[in-house]
Amino acid sequence: GAGVSQTPSNKVTEKGKYVELRCDPISGHTALYWYRQSLGQGPEFLIYFQGTGAADDSGLPNDRFFAVRPEGSVSTLKIQRTERGDSAVYLCASSPYQGGGVPYTDTQYFGPGTRLTVL
Amino acid sequence: GENVEQHPSTLSVQEGDSAVIKCTYSDSASNYFPWYKQELGKGPQLIIDIRSNVGEKKDQRIAVTLNKTAKHFSLHITETQPEDSAVYFCAASGTRSGGGADGLTFGKGTHLIIQP
Repeated sequence: GAGVSQTPSNKVTEKGKYVELRCDPISGHTALYWYRQSLGQGPEFLIYFQGTGAADDSGLPNDRFFAVRPEGSVSTLKIQRTERGDSAVYLCASSPYQGGGVPYTDTQYFGPGTRLTVL
Repeated sequence: GENVEQHPSTLSVQEGDSAVIKCTYSDSASNYFPWYKQELGKGPQLIIDIRSNVGEKKDQRIAVTLNKTAKHFSLHITETQPEDSAVYFCAASGTRSGGGADGLTFGKGTHLIIQP
C-alpha cells in the first residue's frame, strides 16, 4: 500500500519567510511524528500527534515552529520567520497505534522528507 | 532525556564479511529499539527492531541483540552485499502509560561501506 508521503520534496525560501510542510500518513495510522535531520546527523524529534492533538511537542525548538493535524490524518508543520539555521530535511513518520493498550503498535514508518533550504 | 551513542561513525567491510554496529542508551525506561537504514536522498527505512522483553531477534542476514543491564544494543549484518551500503541509525524510545510510543531518540549514524 501507499507509504507516508511528504510535500514538497524540496523547498527553497528566503530568510524571514513563512513555510508550510505537509505530511500524509499511512491510511489508518493514528500516531504521527515530525523530525528534523541536519546534514550528517540522526533525526531529531520535534512533535508527536495522537489523533488530532499534540501529545508531545517538547522537541519544537522555539515558538516559530508550530504543527497542526485538524482532522487526525494530514499534518502541516509551519515555520514562521525562517532562519538559515532552519535548513534541514524535515521527516514525518506515522504509526498504527490504536489505543486501548494494543501491544506492539509503536513501529514508526518514515516518509521521504522535505528538504528545506533557507537562503 | 534519553541520549543514544552510536559507533563506529564509519565502517568499511569486505563483501561477504560481517558488520557490527553498537549503540548505548541512557534512559532505563526506554523499551523499544529500532534500527533504520537510510540511503542518500531517502527517508529512514526500518530494518529490524527489538523490545526490552527479548534479548535477541534475527531476520535472515540481520540480527539485533539487547543487553538491558548494560544499556546497549547491537546490529549484526552477516554475508554483507553491496546493496547493504548505506547509513544505519539506531534509536530508542519508551512506551507511554496509555500506549503508543514516545518520539525516537536517534544515534548519529554509521556509514557502512561494503567493499567489492
